[in-house]
Amino acid sequence: RKEVEQDPGPFNVPEGATVAFNCTYSNSASQSFFWYRQDCRKEPKLLMSVYSSGNEDGRFTAQLNRASQYISLLIRDSKLSDSATYLCVVSPVNFNKFYFGSGTKLNVKP
Amino acid sequence: EPEVTQTPSHQVTQMGQEVILRCVPISNHLYFYWYRQILGQKVEFLVSFYNNEISEKSEIFDDQFSVERPDGSNFTLKIRSTKLEDSAMYFCASSTTTGGIGTDTQYFGPGTRLTVL
Repeated sequence: RKEVEQDPGPFNVPEGATVAFNCTYSNSASQSFFWYRQDCRKEPKLLMSVYSSGNEDGRFTAQLNRASQYISLLIRDSKLSDSATYLCVVSPVNFNKFYFGSGTKLNVKP
Repeated sequence: EPEVTQTPSHQVTQMGQEVILRCVPISNHLYFYWYRQILGQKVEFLVSFYNNEISEKSEIFDDQFSVERPDGSNFTLKIRSTKLEDSAMYFCASSTTTGGIGTDTQYFGPGTRLTVL
């Protein structure tokens, strides 16, 4: 079973749309959760950490559901510049190891 | 803004040759990582390094791989005898802390594309 699973997409949405991605993880002892974005042939960049209480950063909202072992990312008012692959990242309790999902590709169209 | 740098940006090598990929982490960071990404596939954790020793490694990180922090700034990944399947983008990352709530950001370098012929 994969450590982290994501719907690969692509999600094709018009500008201004709201889009949501989910990610599931297999290790119930996982402690740290993140969303990264990766542009084509570039390095991953942290979008936001995901906290138990949920957190928001501008148009982006992340939620964690420990009982169901999934993480979500909501993007409101999509911009063309949001087009990228969104990576779900999970770290288990021993911390120094990070598991990446395969990523969900988002295409925002004019 | 401080950044992680990696050299070279692209390395081409013959199968069986040794390669060393170099990274300069952000200067006040304490935790260092190597990841690889085969074209079209996910980012895979290779190894983490703290206090001059490996703290975690994945199944991919076998005896052909080694890491070193030879001085106060560089962090290197050596592949002793490259195979065709080692062709990938290799990313270095660093952070000030790790683990727990509010884990510090890992900053990634731009990567080294390794092509094994």
